[in-house]
Amino acid sequence: AQSVTQPDIHITVSEGASLELRCNYSYGATPYLFWYVQSPGQGLQLLLKYFSGDTLVQGIKGFEAEFKRSQSSFNLRKPSVHWSDAAEYFCAAAPVSGNTGKLIFGQGTTLQVKP
Amino acid sequence: DAGVIQSPRHEVTEMGQEVTLRCKPISGHDYLFWYRQTMMRGLELLIYFNNNVPIDDSGMPEDRFSAKMPNASFSTLKIQPSEPRDSAVYFCASSFGNGGYTFGSGTRLTVV
Repeated sequence: AQSVTQPDIHITVSEGASLELRCNYSYGATPYLFWYVQSPGQGLQLLLKYFSGDTLVQGIKGFEAEFKRSQSSFNLRKPSVHWSDAAEYFCAAAPVSGNTGKLIFGQGTTLQVKP
Repeated sequence: DAGVIQSPRHEVTEMGQEVTLRCKPISGHDYLFWYRQTMMRGLELLIYFNNNVPIDDSGMPEDRFSAKMPNASFSTLKIQPSEPRDSAVYFCASSFGNGGYTFGSGTRLTVV
């Protein structure tokens, strides 16, 4: 079955430290991949997406993600975290073929930033 | 583009009352999704439409829930009668093909 897994439910990092949030997917073929962020009381906002091509994808707010086919992973990174990055982060995937439009979401990772 | 617009932002209602949530998707998007988010269950897909036609409503919890999309620019999610366990944040999202969703800001529903 198609699935997206975020192994870390909760991560705490110090402000200014680097960040990596993990995401693994299980699909028959490489899907389209997405990262969303949800700040408290807000909707989900698209950070970045990968369709094909360069495996290092740049997004908004200084985030990037690297697609690794061999590891079925699409990890999100940021070199220096700001207190405003505290939020919940969701990885998601959609099949390339079939065009259902429907995303499968991971369970989310809550990021806490220590001053 | 104003993005996906949901109304109301907050709704407080008494148990047994009818609740209607509204969504205006992004113009040109051909998919519309309704999600529910709670602390206990996270994000749950309730129903989604393609070109105004319901495709999968298997996530709708009970017959008390219904959704319509009468045209490409409007959708409603109705709960009748409402119950306290329906309290949640309800999100609408739209997309063009597999291009990823744009979410609305959500409706926070409290049923007392």
